[in-house]
Amino acid sequence: GAGVSQSPSNKVTEKGKDVELRCDPISGHTALYWYRQSLGQGLEFLIYFQGNSAPDKSGLPSDRFSAERTGGSVSTLTIQRTQQEDSAVYLCASSPELTGELFFGEGSRLTVL
Amino acid sequence: DAKTTQPNSMESNEEEPVHLPCNHSTISGTDYIHWYRQLPSQGPEYVIHGLTSNVNNRMASLAIAEDRKSSTLILHRATLRDAAVYYCILILTEADNQGGKLIFGQGTELSVKP
Repeated sequence: GAGVSQSPSNKVTEKGKDVELRCDPISGHTALYWYRQSLGQGLEFLIYFQGNSAPDKSGLPSDRFSAERTGGSVSTLTIQRTQQEDSAVYLCASSPELTGELFFGEGSRLTVL
Repeated sequence: DAKTTQPNSMESNEEEPVHLPCNHSTISGTDYIHWYRQLPSQGPEYVIHGLTSNVNNRMASLAIAEDRKSSTLILHRATLRDAAVYYCILILTEADNQGGKLIFGQGTELSVKP
């Protein structure tokens, strides 16, 4: 498909385990965003990439969270030593330019037991 | 940080116009105003965006105040499928040294009555 693809769609893990979430943006899109949405809450910004660089990481909740993007394409969001409060839907979006329309993936639902 | 404020909820009747307001009093001159909506269990969906002039597309219209401190999303004829949470978002540009950071309003939950 031509849309933003995220995997896994659902992940259940035990507290303390590490998880890795993947985002495949639309080909050619230079800007990539991660954010999360807890149950019944609004969307919370995490990080954005312009190409492979991440000018703003201020939304990452703690140093257990990290993200990288290689080749200006795929991005991974890693959460180390997961906690129950990390449970949320993690959404990725990409855009062909910094001020353009954002295309969202369906999200990765993370449940930490 | 720039912020947007929106009413928590609004109601509309089917087939009637809906005006969804958003305040963004700290907006900078080069920030774009985007509107998205989110249906239950789905990712957000782009609705419309603009900079200074009013914008129209097949989904909606965007009216931007002359001072840009507020905007209004206009759905010309609400349908039941328009029931969603509507988010007003500022896309901060490189000119602010905060390029690309998404600032979400709390969203307005629109319900549409038949």
